[in-house]
Amino acid sequence: QVHLQESGPGLLKPSETLSLTCTISGGSIDTNYWTWVRQSPGKGLEWIGYIYYAGDMKIHPSLKSRATISVDMSNNQFSLRLNSVTAADTAVYYCARSYSGTYSYFDLWGRGTLVTVSS
Amino acid sequence: DIQMTQSPLSLSPSVGDRVTITCRASQNIKTYLNWYQQSPGQAPKLLVSSASRLEIGVPSRFSGTASGTDFTLTITSLQPEDSATYYCQQSYTFPFTFGPGTKVEIK
Repeated sequence: QVHLQESGPGLLKPSETLSLTCTISGGSIDTNYWTWVRQSPGKGLEWIGYIYYAGDMKIHPSLKSRATISVDMSNNQFSLRLNSVTAADTAVYYCARSYSGTYSYFDLWGRGTLVTVSS
Repeated sequence: DIQMTQSPLSLSPSVGDRVTITCRASQNIKTYLNWYQQSPGQAPKLLVSSASRLEIGVPSRFSGTASGTDFTLTITSLQPEDSATYYCQQSYTFPFTFGPGTKVEIK
């Protein structure tokens, strides 16, 4: 059974870089697309972007200048980097799996990790 | 971006009730519409994909339908464990977008 687990710092100061990793266990990173979604406290869900191991990547236009998603094949992980964070980036960050880019769905999610941006 | 709206945003039905949640897309998304259930403190869970395909393991009291840009999630005979927030999500075009959620609190 495949599991996803997010990891990374839970507290950042404004202007710092958010760096999160999603570790895939029980499955291989080269068989699906991998996504980041976030949820601000008390608010709804926001898609951040996805990556495919072969290089296909999409980032939400509103985050494109600050966000990068990458794959680490050797460790079966994928990561999110978000530069110049502000309080508006405070959220629970989820990693998730889909079988393709468009026309797909997120059928497996990690438990999520809370990232707080505060001075 | 495609805007997803949901109605109602909250409801308080009783166990055994039939519940209908509507999601509307701001433009044509064909049937690339998914439904998720999120319980407090939990990650979202996929219930329905492609507007009407029930995920394996999801109780048959859940169903999804589509009509143009309007989509419906129906729960027949509501159970206590169905208390959660339900989100729709379009995967037709980037950026993927979610609806604001419908909170179902059982009386």
